[in-house]
Amino acid sequence: DTAVSQTPKYLVTQMGNDKSIKCEQNLGHDTMYWYKQDSKKFLKIMFSYNNKELIINETVPNRFSPKSPDKAHLNLHINSLELGDSAVYFCASSSRTLSVFGPGTRLTVL
Amino acid sequence: AQKVTQAQTEISVVEKEDVTLDCVYETRDTTYYLFWYKQPPSGELVFLIRRNSFDEQNEISGRYSWNFQKSTSSFNFTITASQVVDSAVYFCALRGSTLGRLYFGRGTQLTVWP
Repeated sequence: DTAVSQTPKYLVTQMGNDKSIKCEQNLGHDTMYWYKQDSKKFLKIMFSYNNKELIINETVPNRFSPKSPDKAHLNLHINSLELGDSAVYFCASSSRTLSVFGPGTRLTVL
Repeated sequence: AQKVTQAQTEISVVEKEDVTLDCVYETRDTTYYLFWYKQPPSGELVFLIRRNSFDEQNEISGRYSWNFQKSTSSFNFTITASQVVDSAVYFCALRGSTLGRLYFGRGTQLTVWP
């Protein structure tokens, strides 16, 4: 029944590792997003896909690579993790008027 | 340019007080949407309300009310008779007419003391 789900909810890893976060929505929305919430709670968009096509790519390091195998899924892969990547990552999907967020993934890089 | 300003970083009130959270936005779009989200200590983002730019009617939902004024580009949120469970970070957000992305304010941390 969950509209937008993310896995894992928590991710603790060492610097230099590669990790992925998965997101799935069952709302039938065409557009999905990744937002990053930093330690000061500021929420900022990273990427957006519309029907599997990348439409927004903010100034994000190349180590971050989104992938959308179909319009219900948007995954985020991060290479060579750095301390500064520690944050909460939210997936979202949207219709023309409504944005629905996943529960977030708290990433901690040690 | 799209921008949302929440000038109040933190607000503390005692239970049963009324509290208003301010939100001022900037946009050149004629069609846009404004949102409020609540982020409790558990971390999820809880949708509270959406308003489109053509609907300036104020809205009341229980103890919550919203005042949308295009003339001042503001979309303020009032909690009446606040409760400890209202303690959270509240975000105001703007969505323009293209791409669907949300522009968030920096949030207001509301603490309600018993």
